This record gives sequence, structure tokens and C-alpha cells, in this order.
Amino acid sequence: QQQVKQSPQSLIVQKGGISIINCAYENTAFDYFPWYQQFPGKGPALLIAIRPDVSEKKEGRFTISFNKSAKQFSLHIMDSQPGDSATYFCAGGGGKLIFGQGTELSVKP
Amino acid sequence: ETGVTQTPRHLVMGMTNKKSLKCEQHLGHNAMYWYKQSAKKPLELMFVYNFKEQTENNSVPSRFSPECPNSSHLFLHLHTLQPEDSALYLCASSPLQVKSSPLHFGNGTRLTVT
Repeated sequence: QQQVKQSPQSLIVQKGGISIINCAYENTAFDYFPWYQQFPGKGPALLIAIRPDVSEKKEGRFTISFNKSAKQFSLHIMDSQPGDSATYFCAGGGGKLIFGQGTELSVKP
Repeated sequence: ETGVTQTPRHLVMGMTNKKSLKCEQHLGHNAMYWYKQSAKKPLELMFVYNFKEQTENNSVPSRFSPECPNSSHLFLHLHTLQPEDSALYLCASSPLQVKSSPLHFGNGTRLTVT
């Protein structure tokens, strides 16, 4: 199976809170899992990525947690800010990238 | 600017029209991609070019015709489109066509087919 399932579809978080977006994949051949961030009117931009040989990767306020046995990975945004309001896409790849459906995040002041 | 420029930003066309989307990258990349983005759906890969050669056609209808004259330019020629083809069309580039090579996206062309 080639799908990457992403949830929730939309998320509202208060400023300073933690935003959590989850993704699940089916293809065990996938070995590269990036997250892209897209602001309105702009194209997606790479935010952070992980390989399945590590369980966690942190870059600033953004952390990917990876559970290989469950075939799940998630993005955590700590101390969420209004400027983080965007659509977030997870993806999985073993050759070409398969994207999730996207999560619209809104961070309220 | 993202380094990947797409024109036009918006396009409205009738079902019998012929139009073209243009993408140009100034990043020195060797792989270029067309993606379709529809609301509430995953990004959908359409075509991949690697060193000007098409390496992937993701079962895209023939009313979409790509052209890659060199590693910096990519076109998507459109003819006899359907209303369901209305979407945001994104161009991307990467240094190489390998999975860990980050994709650099343009800001897209918003296409409306009437």
C-alpha cells in the first residue's frame, strides 16, 4: 500500500501550547519521512525530516517522533506561535514521496 | 523568492482552450517535478524530469503534456481540460531525483477550468 494517512484535518491551538499532528504509513519500504509547511499563497517548504533508524529528531521547537513498529510518526510543535499557522504535510518515501492529506493549523493569540 | 518561479500565478481557461504553465528554477538543480494540489487531498505527483529526461508519468491524462527543454525550465501544456482539473499546480525541483533530496516548490499556478 502506498497511502500516508494524516490526522487531524484541522487543528486549533492556543499560543504557547503544543501542536501535534499524526501520520501513519503502510509501506514498510519507506525509509524517509519529511514534513512540509505551507503558508497561504505559497508552495510547501521542507520543515524537518527523519529516517527510521532514529526515534526522534528535534530542530528548535519542532520535533518528529517516529515509531517504526507501529508505522506511525508525528510532528510536535512546542510553544506554538501565531506565525506557525499554516498547512502541514507529512510524507513517506522509498523512491518517490507519498504525501498525507495535510493539516491546517491555526494558532490563536 | 523561493528560487523556483511559476507563471502565471492565476489562470482561468475554458474547456476548449490551450494554455501553458511555466516553471523556472535558479538553484542549479537537475530534477524537476509537476504536482497537483487539490483541496483536502494529498499532493499528487504528475511528472518527473531528471537531467531533462522524463523519468515518471504518474498515469496523467494526455490532456496534460509536459516539456522540459533544459534542467532550468519546465512547462505544462494544457488542452481540452475538464472542470475537475481545477487545482493548484505546483512545480518543484531538487538537486537529484533521490528520496532524501529536498523538494523546493514554487508558489504554484491556481488553475480554474470553466
